[in-house]
Amino acid sequence: EDQVTQSPEALRLQEGESSSLNCSYTVSGLRGLFWYRQDPGKGPEFLFTLYSAGEEKEKERLKATLTKKESFLHITAPKPEDSATYLCAPHGNGKIIFGKGTRLHILP
Amino acid sequence: GAVVSQHPSRVICKSGTSVKIECRSLDFQATTMFWYRQFPKQSLMLMATSNEGSKATYEQGVEKDKFLINHASLTLSTLTVTSAHPEDSSFYICSAEPRAETQYFGPGTRLLVL
Repeated sequence: EDQVTQSPEALRLQEGESSSLNCSYTVSGLRGLFWYRQDPGKGPEFLFTLYSAGEEKEKERLKATLTKKESFLHITAPKPEDSATYLCAPHGNGKIIFGKGTRLHILP
Repeated sequence: GAVVSQHPSRVICKSGTSVKIECRSLDFQATTMFWYRQFPKQSLMLMATSNEGSKATYEQGVEKDKFLINHASLTLSTLTVTSAHPEDSSFYICSAEPRAETQYFGPGTRLLVL
């Protein structure tokens, strides 16, 4: 059965304190893995698509990496506006499966 | 580009009434749109895949007669929650693919059934 697990569930960081969010997945026929950002009461905002192990993508303070079983979202020197829930979503078997997300809170 | 809108953003209705939610792709055409439901602190759960000009494909456990989907054009899909009950209260989100394997999401519709 396809599964995706994100950790930690919640993370509080001081402004400027770098960290990483983890996404572990078991998906047959992986076609890609998405990262989204979701603010409270809003729809997910697309961040990255990763297609193959070893691939990396960057956007401002965020960098996403992919292995055959995990993906990491690294956040460097975060700011309070980076506070949100970050969702990992592998795409396999014709559908996208969303993790529960990591709620990130950056303290000023 | 790749903007998806939803209307209404929130709706409150009485138990037993029907509610229609619209999903539009504003700057691209989408032959396929997706409808998700999200409960508090839970992940997005795919309800159905909406196909322009044909019947929607529903996920296991989703009642097709309760959640009616119509994809009448390449830019509009609607979800109608029929005979809504309090347990249908949730956050409903649609998405569309401007290009293969990249979904863009609407802002969501908060439904509260009293």
